[in-house]
Amino acid sequence: QVQLVQSGAEVKKPGASVKVSCKASGYTFTSYDINWVRQATGQGLEWMGWMNPNSGNTGYAQKFQGRVTMTRNTSISTAYMELSSLRSEDTAVYYCASNYCSGGSCWFDPWGQGTLVTVSS
Amino acid sequence: QSVLTQPPSASGTPGQRVTISCSGSSSNIGSNTVNWYQQLPGTAPKLLIYSNNQRPSGVPDRFSGSKSGTSASLAISGLQSEDEADYYCAAWDDSLIYVVFGGGTKLTVL
Repeated sequence: QVQLVQSGAEVKKPGASVKVSCKASGYTFTSYDINWVRQATGQGLEWMGWMNPNSGNTGYAQKFQGRVTMTRNTSISTAYMELSSLRSEDTAVYYCASNYCSGGSCWFDPWGQGTLVTVSS
Repeated sequence: QSVLTQPPSASGTPGQRVTISCSGSSSNIGSNTVNWYQQLPGTAPKLLIYSNNQRPSGVPDRFSGSKSGTSASLAISGLQSEDEADYYCAAWDDSLIYVVFGGGTKLTVL
């Protein structure tokens, strides 16, 4: 079935970087953009950016510009999100989601299971 | 502060009908379609409604969506205990040039 499987939980120190992976299966990886959304504990969903797996083109929310990099490896159908200069406020669950579009509308489906990133000294 | 506004909580008894509102502006809901996501406790969000009122296969017809102007609504009829979850609306924003979410509504089945 169509699914996205993410890498495991990470614990990082302030100032470090983290790289989360998202492996797609059950569909052609290059057909749909991959988006990244994060959720701090007890908080809502926050969109971070998108990446086109075919071209490698990206678009980032202004809040994360300069700190986030989204890449991919098409040979293994895997997308990556790297966030640098981590601070405690970056502690959150990070989700990847495939951006399916049809008839001029787009939506996120499926979602990965989430990766908890904890930033602590 | 979320761009789309949802009530933080909603509740109902089994069998009741509950609606959750989502208010936006002309740059998001007013000019783009709305999607709804359901997040059961401890799990990833799941697509519930897309393109304002379309249900993915497998989503019960107890769930329905609508949109009017710069607002959207999610209705759940025949409320069941397994519907207890957080619900988020989302839409593309033409001014911000990214997807915006509502703050989420926690639905409690009493």
